[in-house]
Amino acid sequence: GAVVSQHPSWVICKSGTSVKIECRSLDFQATTMFWYRQFPKQSLMLMATSNEGSKATYEQGVEKDKFLINHASLTLSTLTVTSAHPEDSSFYICSASGTGDQPQHFGDGTRLSIL
Amino acid sequence: DAKTTQPPSMDCAEGRAANLPCNHSTISGNEYVYWYRQIHSQGPQYIIHGLKNNETNEMASLIITEDRKSSTLILPHATLRDTAVYYCIVPRGRRALTFGSGTRLQVQP
Repeated sequence: GAVVSQHPSWVICKSGTSVKIECRSLDFQATTMFWYRQFPKQSLMLMATSNEGSKATYEQGVEKDKFLINHASLTLSTLTVTSAHPEDSSFYICSASGTGDQPQHFGDGTRLSIL
Repeated sequence: DAKTTQPPSMDCAEGRAANLPCNHSTISGNEYVYWYRQIHSQGPQYIIHGLKNNETNEMASLIITEDRKSSTLILPHATLRDTAVYYCIVPRGRRALTFGSGTRLQVQP
């Protein structure tokens, strides 16, 4: 079945560091990928919609200059958390879908901890 | 996305069927019902989806009422590994999915 791969699965870094998270669709092409964030004991919240070859669309309250999204190919989207601070610590999850009514599939998530 | 309502939690004995209900009374005629689950510290996992007919796959069965205002996800023989939060979602178009609180299913040994 369709698989979405996310890397890294976890990262710990110092405050002020920039962190890049990759999301790949392994056996289908995805013109659109989505990035979510999940804080402890809460549900997933959409951060942005990543469109291949164009600028991402950010949800209200999500800083586009802090969370840089690049979707340079039909199988890869990246999320870069720039100058990360402890409040950015969270579980980041991407999703992608193929064509038609095919369901979205999710990566396994990236647990980001900023010290 | 169309609004969905699910019970916050359910328990099920291991080996028994788990029946998870979902109300989606505002669903439109061409909108699908999708079910996902999230096991602790993992990304959501797609389970099944349907439009109006009942559906079955290797993971579960989906029963949709004739008026399409509600559905039930059935795990025929629940195991401890089925303990998770289950989400019923009715997306509008091909946009991102909106996750509510879901139903926390606890499978008891």
